[in-house]
Amino acid sequence: NAGVTQTPKFRILKIGQSMTLQCTQDMNHNYMYWYRQDPGMGLKLIYYSVGAGITDKGEVPNGYNVSRSTTEDFPLRLELAAPSQTSVYFCASSYSIAGSTDTQYFGPGTRLTVL
Amino acid sequence: KNEVEQSPQNLTAQEGEFITINCSYSVGISALHWLQQHPGGGIVSLFMLSSGKKKHGRLIATINIQEKHSSLHITASHPRDSAVYICAGGSSNTGKLIFGQGTTLQVKP
Repeated sequence: NAGVTQTPKFRILKIGQSMTLQCTQDMNHNYMYWYRQDPGMGLKLIYYSVGAGITDKGEVPNGYNVSRSTTEDFPLRLELAAPSQTSVYFCASSYSIAGSTDTQYFGPGTRLTVL
Repeated sequence: KNEVEQSPQNLTAQEGEFITINCSYSVGISALHWLQQHPGGGIVSLFMLSSGKKKHGRLIATINIQEKHSSLHITASHPRDSAVYICAGGSSNTGKLIFGQGTTLQVKP
């Protein structure tokens, strides 16, 4: 199993550009999550999904969109990039809701810089 | 105010030392997670516990539900233990994880 994979690993965007961060898991997990990690801060939940076709907002959803058309894939879309979106983005998955007694598996992260 | 607080934020130790990282939380949780993040690397789950104590190799995690406190101990520390250690509480209300800011550990040879 590859686990959770993310692409790209690094990206530099100009203000106003758009991009999609890809996330795929091969563990047949129902739950998938997108987090951002800013220096000195804890991980913040952007969006999550409890299954194909079902998504919901986390703590910091503004400026982002997601979709979940398959169990495996959970892409994160930035429509109009802003410097405040400079961060490291992690995708994660779990079989059941991570806040319960289930392990959460993380991807390697995408380092995004918006200039 | 973050509902999950870790201490210390930074920790430097000599190889072989016993290390303790603390985590306090102010919300009701159903599970407490400890995660490890190596420099430039991804995040790996170390432990998940809702009571008592768990051990894996040189790592030990404990939790006291009444005091809303958890500790991660590393025995006989080694430079390869150098990483950021993150505590996260699973909210019993929302089911989502609430993360601490992380503790950066450097173990010197």
